[in-house]
Amino acid sequence: AQSVTQLDSQVPVFEEAPVELRCNYSSSVSVYLFWYVQYPNQGLQLLLKYLSGSTLVKGINGFEAEFNKSQTSFHLRKPSVHISDTAEYFCAVSEKGSNYKLTFGKGTLLTVNP
Amino acid sequence: DGGITQSPKYLFRKEGQNVTLSCEQNLNHDAMYWYRQDPGQGLRLIYYSQIVNDFQKGDIAEGYSVSREKKESFPLTVTSAQKNPTAFYLCASSKWTGNTGELFFGEGSRLTVL
Repeated sequence: AQSVTQLDSQVPVFEEAPVELRCNYSSSVSVYLFWYVQYPNQGLQLLLKYLSGSTLVKGINGFEAEFNKSQTSFHLRKPSVHISDTAEYFCAVSEKGSNYKLTFGKGTLLTVNP
Repeated sequence: DGGITQSPKYLFRKEGQNVTLSCEQNLNHDAMYWYRQDPGQGLRLIYYSQIVNDFQKGDIAEGYSVSREKKESFPLTVTSAQKNPTAFYLCASSKWTGNTGELFFGEGSRLTVL
């Protein structure tokens, strides 16, 4: 069965600094990978997804992520964060052929300070 | 615009009362899901439904019930048997054919049991 580990529960950074949110997954088959963002008291919004093809995936709000199959990682990066990026970020994985099951990590709270 | 509507956004109930959370989608998606979110625990799947009049238990179904009488609607009842019902509840939907696992979320319902 697949699993997802988000290595940091909280990441504080200063405005305009770069940030990396780490995600590792475990699966015995090929996977699809996702990053979602959640602002306080709201639902989850898709940031980006890796389905196939190029391992560098660009998403909304200037975020990007790189799929590394050998390291089973899908880290999320942004070169310069804004106060408005303060939110919780969830990494998620589904196995090809699993037909429904999206497994989420426990989330990383990104706090951007002025 | 297409999307998922959850209601109510906030709900307070006394212990021992059943509560029903509404979820409606106009995305013409076949599959619908209910997740529970607690601080630091990520999202946990309660129930999901692939087609009308059919649904499956997720990882934490005890104390919950659902119905799927219409494609657009997937209400969740939190029963008095649920020992710790205070949480944030998220409804989601997805395509079924060619499903990659990508989910579309509602804005959530926060239930507080007094």
